[in-house]
Amino acid sequence: SQQGEEDPQALSIQEGENATMNCSYKTSINNLQWYRQNSGRGLVHLILIRSNEREKHSGRLRVTLDTSKKSSSLLITASRAADTASYFCCGGSNYKLTFGKGTLLTVNP
Amino acid sequence: DVKVTQSSRYLVKRTGEKVFLECVQDMDHENMFWYRQDPGLGLRLIYFSYDVKMKEKGDIPEGYSVSREKKERFSLILESASTNQTSMYLCASSLSSSWAYEQYFGPGTRLTVT
Repeated sequence: SQQGEEDPQALSIQEGENATMNCSYKTSINNLQWYRQNSGRGLVHLILIRSNEREKHSGRLRVTLDTSKKSSSLLITASRAADTASYFCCGGSNYKLTFGKGTLLTVNP
Repeated sequence: DVKVTQSSRYLVKRTGEKVFLECVQDMDHENMFWYRQDPGLGLRLIYFSYDVKMKEKGDIPEGYSVSREKKERFSLILESASTNQTSMYLCASSLSSSWAYEQYFGPGTRLTVT
């Protein structure tokens, strides 16, 4: 059962532009999380938003959550080449997280 | 900082071999997880453990088993490796809670079964 599904599958932008990725999920969650994966490496946690929150910021990251639509978005502002990575959303309930397939973001210098 | 280590970054095994993938975390986390990651399929949960000697099947447990004898160590076992188990294997850990806390991932083991 896939709890997170990212859109688009791939995104290519220029350095300095903003990048927006969307995520939809299917069932009730306690929280929604976003992770980043650089090529061939492990995942790194970016941000967690709880089901009773609507928006959260962390540095250049802004996450929104709409539980009525079962969707979330991740905005990266003023992107840098180092932001090039795959981004995954996942819904959390109890112990488990269920990941989507990810959005591949390419930031061109 | 939480550190999750995996025994190998790259591993090549032959079909039918028994394969052990080891994962160790140093933050006294109660939950540990094994995922596999394949192109186009994302991350899929194989097994997880919420306490020593406790385990639960994830979404794709077939062909795998796990062992957790000590809190810090979680092993994934391929009893008889097959070519369709060629994949990137990721271990993760998280705090114990009724909520799903953030997970800390190891660097991954890229397993090739020939």
